[in-house]
Amino acid sequence: ELKVEQNPLFLSMQEGKNYTIYCNYSTTSDRLYWYRQDPGKSLESLFVLLSNGAVKQEGRLMASLDTKARLSTLHITAAVHDLSATYFCAVADQGGSEKLVFGKGTKLTVNP
Amino acid sequence: KAGVTQTPRYLIKTRGQQVTLSCSPISGHRSVSWYQQTPGQGLQFLFEYFSETQRNKGNFPGRFSGRQFSNSRSEMNVSTLELGDSALYLCASSLLSPLAGGLAYYEQYFGPGTRLTVT
Repeated sequence: ELKVEQNPLFLSMQEGKNYTIYCNYSTTSDRLYWYRQDPGKSLESLFVLLSNGAVKQEGRLMASLDTKARLSTLHITAAVHDLSATYFCAVADQGGSEKLVFGKGTKLTVNP
Repeated sequence: KAGVTQTPRYLIKTRGQQVTLSCSPISGHRSVSWYQQTPGQGLQFLFEYFSETQRNKGNFPGRFSGRQFSNSRSEMNVSTLELGDSALYLCASSLLSPLAGGLAYYEQYFGPGTRLTVT
């Protein structure tokens, strides 16, 4: 059974600092997703990482995937208050459907 | 292009009642998945439908059911509601997105959710 672990679960950081969120998963998968969720809102897609190991960057966020280690990272560079949200990683469960298994989420608070 | 729509957005029900939630995927998307989000359990997969067939089902009791219509719209039903069913129910529709080199991947687009409160 696919399990996804995300850490840390809570992250409080100052504006301008860098930090990394980690996502480990237990079985082989060909896709990993990162989503952002603001309070009371739905999930916004940030990145899709495929098993070919691509690194993706959008603004102050950079995501990478190491399929051998079954580890993805979401790196935040020079954080700003607008990045405050909960970030989820989700791993595609192999088996012919679109089932995603989500991590518990990382609640990020960026303080001025 | 219109996004995924879910109705109703908010719902309050009493224990023992049943409820039906609706999801309209993005035009052209044939796969619809449902997830339950609670503070304690996080985001959990309920089921996925593709071309009116259930392709996968999560670990939920039989009180949770769903279906998909020929126009790809989907409904989920929860019977005999319990307090623990209070949650945000999210629907996602998927489209196979091509990449260079013959690769492709499914991009999932989430709707705004239905907030169900059971009292």
